[in-house]
Amino acid sequence: RKEVEQDPGPFNVPEGATVAFNCTYSNSASQSFFWYRQDCRKEPKLLMSVYSSGNEDGRFTAQLNRASQYISLLIRDSKLSDSATYLCVVKPSGGSYIPTFGRGTSLIVHP
Amino acid sequence: EAGVAQSPRYKIIEKRQSVAFWCNPISGHATLYWYQQILGQGPKLLIQFQNNGVVDDSQLPKDRFSAERLKGVDSTLKIQPAKLEDSAVYLCASSRRTSGGGELFFGEGSRLTVL
Repeated sequence: RKEVEQDPGPFNVPEGATVAFNCTYSNSASQSFFWYRQDCRKEPKLLMSVYSSGNEDGRFTAQLNRASQYISLLIRDSKLSDSATYLCVVKPSGGSYIPTFGRGTSLIVHP
Repeated sequence: EAGVAQSPRYKIIEKRQSVAFWCNPISGHATLYWYQQILGQGPKLLIQFQNNGVVDDSQLPKDRFSAERLKGVDSTLKIQPAKLEDSAVYLCASSRRTSGGGELFFGEGSRLTVL
């Protein structure tokens, strides 16, 4: 089983739609969780951290489920500019704190 | 604040040739990472430095890849000899700290094509 798994998609949604992505992780010692956004042929950039109680940033909501070992990202009222690849990142609590990336989920928002 | 600088942006070489990539992290960032991103995949960690010491290089193909971070600032990643499967974007990232939720800041990447 891969350390961090994501459905590669693509998720093809109309503007204004709500879309959700999940990401599962295998290391139960994982401590820190993030969503990064990567535009085509660009570098990844931090979208948001994921906190245990869940957190929201505008149209974006991130949730963590430690019991089932997954995190989720919900995007409400999708915009054309949300089209990108969303990368899930997991860091363990000890050792070398290596950030491990999922393969990413591709989102295409169409008019 | 200047971001992570990488060069060259693009490199085309033939298999069995060598190539080197350079990275200058954000000033004050102790941790530096080299990731390999193959088309359609997520970034895969090659090596992680804390200052000028190696924290993890378990996924670095040491028979052909090498990396160093002299003086704990700039870093170079070298591939010798290159193989076709090394075609990828090599991303350098830095963070202020290693533990906890330190954000990774990425450079624009160096795109390598091996013919």
